[in-house]
Amino acid sequence: ETGVTQSPTHLIKTRGQQVTLRCSSQSGHNTVSWYQQALGQGPQFIFQYYREEENGRGNFPPRFSGLQFPNYSSELNVNALELDDSALYLCASTSDIRGRPTEAFFGQGTRLTVV
Amino acid sequence: AQKITQTQPGMFVQEKEAVTLDCTYDTSDPSYGLFWYKQPSSGEMIFLIYQGSYDQQNATEGRYSLNFQKARKSANLVISASQLGDSAMYFCAMREAGQTGANNLFFGTGTRLTVIP
Repeated sequence: ETGVTQSPTHLIKTRGQQVTLRCSSQSGHNTVSWYQQALGQGPQFIFQYYREEENGRGNFPPRFSGLQFPNYSSELNVNALELDDSALYLCASTSDIRGRPTEAFFGQGTRLTVV
Repeated sequence: AQKITQTQPGMFVQEKEAVTLDCTYDTSDPSYGLFWYKQPSSGEMIFLIYQGSYDQQNATEGRYSLNFQKARKSANLVISASQLGDSAMYFCAMREAGQTGANNLFFGTGTRLTVIP
């Protein structure tokens, strides 16, 4: 196991609703990234948090937002859910943000279904 | 241009045989890392192996080795002595050191490996 935990594991929401997904990063890791993986695709980078601030964002609209807490855990919030938001949402933690790229450890993901 | 290209949507290998999964990448950043992840049907992304752009030797982790050809911008994964439990999706990914500080991973579209008994 990687030590990265996500909750909940599965979720069903109605179009237009809001959702919050949670991630607890691996001990000692100060950077958390979120990815969206649509069915049959590779994960797509949503955004990254370092020291409680967003530090990079992929091609996702502002209704995707996040938080990082002092203990490095993180939340992903999605407002005004759309059917296309149905996907596996993965959280990854790494130990550093500068210098050599380091390995990222992923949680088991949250599978979100929007109906 | 795609940052990561995996041209094999699906691969089959006989149990106990070796298999190579292809990955090519595109970057102008001199400092980058290349990763391979395994994703079983359960969904979790399992880290397999990492190769840094400045690493002199090809990375190896048990039955996994990475055939890193920098000039060709390829980073193929070699799995030796395939096991039935190796059946899964395999993703190649890259992280660039970059200028902004955000070193997110770029993923390919994956290769589905099926190990045949």
